[in-house]
Amino acid sequence: DAGVIQSPRHEVTEMGQEVTLRCKPISGHDYLFWYRQTMMRGLELLIYFNNNVPIDDSGMPEDRFSAKMPNASFSTLKIQPSEPRDSAVYFCASSHGRQTTDTQYFGPGTRLTVL
Amino acid sequence: AQKVTQAQTEISVVEKEDVTLDCVYETRDTTYYLFWYKQPPSGELVFLIRRNSFDEQNEISGRYSWNFQKSTSSFNFTITASQVVDSAVYFCALTLYSSYKLIFGSGTRLLVRP
Repeated sequence: DAGVIQSPRHEVTEMGQEVTLRCKPISGHDYLFWYRQTMMRGLELLIYFNNNVPIDDSGMPEDRFSAKMPNASFSTLKIQPSEPRDSAVYFCASSHGRQTTDTQYFGPGTRLTVL
Repeated sequence: AQKVTQAQTEISVVEKEDVTLDCVYETRDTTYYLFWYKQPPSGELVFLIRRNSFDEQNEISGRYSWNFQKSTSSFNFTITASQVVDSAVYFCALTLYSSYKLIFGSGTRLLVRP
């Protein structure tokens, strides 16, 4: 089975530009998570979805960030406008979600650099 | 509040040495799960193990073993006869039964030298 797929793997953009990160969860998983990894803050949850519906977006840093899940096999995380402090690795993860403690499986991440 | 502490920022060992990575957690909940993930130099996060709060049995998987002790709120990870391929950052994480949020420690960078 394919794991979680993320694209692009690397993104370099200039401040003020719009950035869109993409994720395809593992087939059959009902929960999708977006995490951000930085040196200063480590790994932190941004938002998660259940059956395509956003459940908790309390980790989204500010209004410049938005996430959508139009169907069970695709999600996007958008930053508009991007700023240098958004530079980080963004991970998408998915889980069955039958229990809160089901294992979350992570994608390879997108390394974002905002100049 | 919940918290995971990995006090060892970086560990360096010579190949074939045994090494233990420490993980201490804090929570007032009685039902929770603990995880270990590996992040190799390529950057992905690889799931290693999941353990629930009611199961304190130690677990062994090949060269990997985990020691869960509720009395000390610790969930330590030991690699026996380390290999260069074990070089990575290892994260311990906690999730509560009431939440889907994974709370990660800051990670321990393990360098295994040939």
